[in-house]
Amino acid sequence: QKEVEQDPGPLSVPEGAIVSLNCTYSNSAFQYFMWYRQYSRKGPELLMYTYSSGNKEDGRFTAQVDKSSKYISLFIRDSQPSDSATYLCAMSGNDYKLSFGAGTTVTVRA
Amino acid sequence: DAGITQSPRHKVTETGTPVTLRCHQTENHRYMYWYRQDPGHGLRLIHYSYGVKDTDKGEVSDGYSVSRSKTEDFLLTLESATSSQTSVYFCAVGDSGTSTDTQYFGPGTRLTVL
Repeated sequence: QKEVEQDPGPLSVPEGAIVSLNCTYSNSAFQYFMWYRQYSRKGPELLMYTYSSGNKEDGRFTAQVDKSSKYISLFIRDSQPSDSATYLCAMSGNDYKLSFGAGTTVTVRA
Repeated sequence: DAGITQSPRHKVTETGTPVTLRCHQTENHRYMYWYRQDPGHGLRLIHYSYGVKDTDKGEVSDGYSVSRSKTEDFLLTLESATSSQTSVYFCAVGDSGTSTDTQYFGPGTRLTVL
């Protein structure tokens, strides 16, 4: 079983819809949770970073962490065609080692 | 892009040949990482470096070696390429090697081993 599970999608939504992405994990030592965005043929770029449980909001993006359920989510409000990308969750414990999900491919239709 | 370049960007090679990928950074980051990305697996760490001549293994290091003789360059070598090493390879950089450190990724190298 993988440490981090992420539904690969693909996910297709109309412009303006809310995009909901999630990951589950098995390692209870994970404390740091990240979402990366990766455009086609590009490297991943950090989108959101959250420590421990709770919510974090940044513009149209909201990251949620529920450590009791080992479940993290990313919500994108008022989605735009420019949000079309692959979204990767990543997490780590008290070291540098990042464990990544497989990524969910999102297409926002104009 | 955190001043990261990777070369070559694309390479096709044959099984059994040696291959070296280069990661070059211009912003003096202490930590450098090599990942591979495969469908269904996400990104997996191959090797990392925490300084000049200081390297260590990651999750999927078998068949790979690395070297870092200068702060700005981190080389990944496949001594004898196999088809299972067909992948997209990403270099990343960071500053502290801790959980709170942001890793910045390069544009990737697409390697095909025939």
